[in-house]
Amino acid sequence: EAQVTQNPRYLITVTGKKLTVTCSQNMNHEYMSWYRQDPGLGLRQIYYSMNVEVTDKGDVPEGYKVSRKEKRNFPLILESPSPNQTSLYFCASSSGTYSGGSYNEQFFGPGTRLTVL
Amino acid sequence: AQSVTQPDIHITVSEGASLELRCNYSYGATPYLFWYVQSPGQGLQLLLKYFSGDTLVQGIKGFEAEFKRSQSSFNLRKPSVHWSDAAEYFCALNEAYNTDKLIFGTGTRLQVFP
Repeated sequence: EAQVTQNPRYLITVTGKKLTVTCSQNMNHEYMSWYRQDPGLGLRQIYYSMNVEVTDKGDVPEGYKVSRKEKRNFPLILESPSPNQTSLYFCASSSGTYSGGSYNEQFFGPGTRLTVL
Repeated sequence: AQSVTQPDIHITVSEGASLELRCNYSYGATPYLFWYVQSPGQGLQLLLKYFSGDTLVQGIKGFEAEFKRSQSSFNLRKPSVHWSDAAEYFCALNEAYNTDKLIFGTGTRLQVFP
C-alpha cells in the first residue's frame, strides 16, 4: 500500500531534549516536506526537499533541522525543543507537483502530535 | 503575497442539508487549488483539485467545487451532508507549477447534527 508513515504518532517531551520525528514514504517520491498545524493558523511549511541531499527552508524553519540522505526518508529534528513547538506535524511527499503536463498529488502522513513541556 | 482565506471557522449543518464551504485566494496568476479533509485523528485526504479547464470540479465523497476567477473563490459544495462528513476542511493553493509548496487556509470545522 502506498503510504507516508510517521513515528512517533504522539510524543510528550521536555524543553531542550533533542528529538527526531521520522518520515518515510514507499512511493519513490522525489519531493518531501514537513508542515506544522496550529489552531487558527492552518498548515505551514517548515522544510522541504526536492531530492536526496537537497533541502530548503519553508515558511517557519526556525528551531528545526532536516536531512535527506535517502530518497524514502525525511526526518525532522528538533535540537532543543521549546513549548512553542508544541504542534501537530505532518510529513508529505509527491513525485513533483507538475510533471508531464499533469498535477501529482501530495500524500500526507497521519501526523505526529508533539507536546513540549 | 499569496494567501488563502477560509472565512468560516466553524459550520454546523443538519444531516441531509446542503453544504457550502467558502474559500478565497490571493494570487497573481491562475493558481492550482485544492480541498483537503482531515477527519479526527487522521491525516489529510485530497477531496478534489482545480488545475485548469472546466471550472466545476468533481471530487470524492460527493463533493464538488467551483473555481470563480472573478471572485477569487473556490467554494466547496455538497448537496446532502452525511454524519460521516464531520471533519475539518482545508482549502489550499499551489503557488507555482515548479514548486510543491502548498499554502493552506486556516480550516473550517464542520459539525453535522442528526
